[in-house]
Amino acid sequence: SQQGEEDPQALSIQEGENATMNCSYKTSINNLQWYRQNSGRGLVHLILIRSNEREKHSGRLRVTLDTSKKSSSLLITASRAADTASYFCATRTGTASKLTFGTGTRLQVTL
Amino acid sequence: DTEVTQTPKHLVMGMTNKKSLKCEQHMGHRAMYWYKQKAKKPPELMFVYSYEKLSINESVPSRFSPECPNSSLLNLHLHALQPEDSALYLCASSQPRTLRQETQYFGPGTRLLVL
Repeated sequence: SQQGEEDPQALSIQEGENATMNCSYKTSINNLQWYRQNSGRGLVHLILIRSNEREKHSGRLRVTLDTSKKSSSLLITASRAADTASYFCATRTGTASKLTFGTGTRLQVTL
Repeated sequence: DTEVTQTPKHLVMGMTNKKSLKCEQHMGHRAMYWYKQKAKKPPELMFVYSYEKLSINESVPSRFSPECPNSSLLNLHLHALQPEDSALYLCASSQPRTLRQETQYFGPGTRLLVL
């Protein structure tokens, strides 16, 4: 079963605006990761935040993690048309080397 | 080299065919994964190999048979598939979790159509 629910399911913004995506999960995690997928292609890792971290930055990306609410958010600042993609959160739990992906947010950035 | 390659890019097969998907990485990763992804859905884990041994099988039907001939290669053998098996099949690799390098690197996928 899927670990994470993401919202919104779809988001359409104009270039230069900020995009925020949210992820909620159900059980305790070791870390949470965000991946981007361009249409019909492989996933690209964006950022990883560990369960003992609350916020992390990478370039135009800002990720927060609230373990008490079992939720995370991904903020993309000053969006570009090239950011158009689907974004998935993924959680790792327990001792297994497996990730469970959320339902995804489809982001459309228009000029 | 931070690339995971997959062949073929596209595959059309009948329900009685036998085919194989191939995945290769040269990053020295010792964990490799197969995922299945339907349109507009997240990837679903199928198999995990760690140090060339099958460590996770997510109750995948036996018509899918994984193989890890060496630390760089991962195959997925397909036999007697059903039309509902049509999907994008993604391969990924990473260092095992014990090394705390948990980013997964994905290949571009094989788009499979079963007729």
